[in-house]
Amino acid sequence: GNSVTQMEGPVTLSEEAFLTINCTYTATGYPSLFWYVQYPGEGLQLLLKATKADDKGSNKGFEATYRKETTSFHLEKGSVQVSDSAVYFCALAAGGTSYGKLTFGQGTILTVHP
Amino acid sequence: DGGITQSPKYLFRKEGQNVTLSCEQNLNHDAMYWYRQDPGQGLRLIYYSQIVNDFQKGDIAEGYSVSREKKESFPLTVTSAQKNPTAFYLCASSTGLAVTDTQYFGPGTRLTVL
Repeated sequence: GNSVTQMEGPVTLSEEAFLTINCTYTATGYPSLFWYVQYPGEGLQLLLKATKADDKGSNKGFEATYRKETTSFHLEKGSVQVSDSAVYFCALAAGGTSYGKLTFGQGTILTVHP
Repeated sequence: DGGITQSPKYLFRKEGQNVTLSCEQNLNHDAMYWYRQDPGQGLRLIYYSQIVNDFQKGDIAEGYSVSREKKESFPLTVTSAQKNPTAFYLCASSTGLAVTDTQYFGPGTRLTVL
């Protein structure tokens, strides 16, 4: 079946540090890949997405590139801010029997200190 | 503003009671979803609906029921048959079930069984 594996958290960084959160996936066919962010007590917000190999999604300084050869979709940001502290989820959408379903990783908690 | 609303934000239930969580969207989306989130875990799909008067079970449908009588509304009932209902429940919607369609999430309802 489909699955998503994210790097273990929590991740703690100082403001302006470089961020990488690793995400790898297993899926049949040609999935779409997503990063969502969740602030405390809130729902999920779409951060970025990519729908085919070599696509780069970007938003608010965050980037991720769909790498089919390594089945990865790592999230990066060059300079994090305190306001980026949240939980980040990698997810995929695939066809076949998984039609209509998002498969999520377990989430990575990011804390950024001033 | 277009979006997804969920109510109530917090819900307390005694064991043996059924409770219904509300989800409304004004995005004119055809597809709607219910997910469950437990601490430290990703989201798991409970039910989804592609169109009015049609819905499908997700991965963890046991102990839950839904209806889709209107395009805008997709209420979830947590029945007394659900063994461990305490969780954060998230509703989502999308234009359709295509792999490339983005799911947008509501703010969530936190259910606690006393």
